[in-house]
Amino acid sequence: NAGVTQTPKFQVLKTGQSMTLQCAQDMNHEYMSWYRQDPGMGLRLIHYSVGAGITDQGEVPNGYNVSRSTTEDFPLRLLSAAPSQTSVYFCASSPQGRNSPLHFGNGTRLTVT
Amino acid sequence: AQTVTQSQPEMSVQEAETVTLSCTYDTSESDYYLFWYKQPPSRQMILVIRQEAYKQQNATENRFSVNFQKAAKSFSLKISDSQLGDAAMYFCAYRSPYQGAQKLVFGQGTRLTINP
Repeated sequence: NAGVTQTPKFQVLKTGQSMTLQCAQDMNHEYMSWYRQDPGMGLRLIHYSVGAGITDQGEVPNGYNVSRSTTEDFPLRLLSAAPSQTSVYFCASSPQGRNSPLHFGNGTRLTVT
Repeated sequence: AQTVTQSQPEMSVQEAETVTLSCTYDTSESDYYLFWYKQPPSRQMILVIRQEAYKQQNATENRFSVNFQKAAKSFSLKISDSQLGDAAMYFCAYRSPYQGAQKLVFGQGTRLTINP
């Protein structure tokens, strides 16, 4: 089982560049989301989706864009990278159900210089 | 908005001993879910244990158990018979049943070191 697959694992960008972090899940989960992890701050929610065609903002959405055209894929776009976006990014998915745990990808370490 | 606080940035324990990681949270809701996640050096996020607020019984998963004190808004994780493989960052997380399933609020994390 692949579970939640994130690509790339590592990325270095220059300030102002754009890029897309890819996330795919093969568990037919309705819910998908993106978190960023920064030292001393835990994980913070960027954007999330409750199904294909439906997305919403989380706690720290500025500078990021998402779309959900299929159940399987939930890409995260950085429109114009800034050093403050240097972080580790996690994609997660979950089936419906109030007690359903999140299934996380292995993360992408992004450095913006 | 809910907040989660882990007041111990780092903890260490001798192999085979017991360690308790602290977590407190702030909420006005009466129904919610609490989780502990483990993040080893591989960076993978692994669910350790979960607790439903309406259940008074503390959750247990093998060597991992929680002490859930609803009135005190406390959710500590006890690891018994610590093993070298338990070394990791541990995150406490809160989820409201009234919001999307993806809206987890995480604490800052506690780095656990196991001394052989």
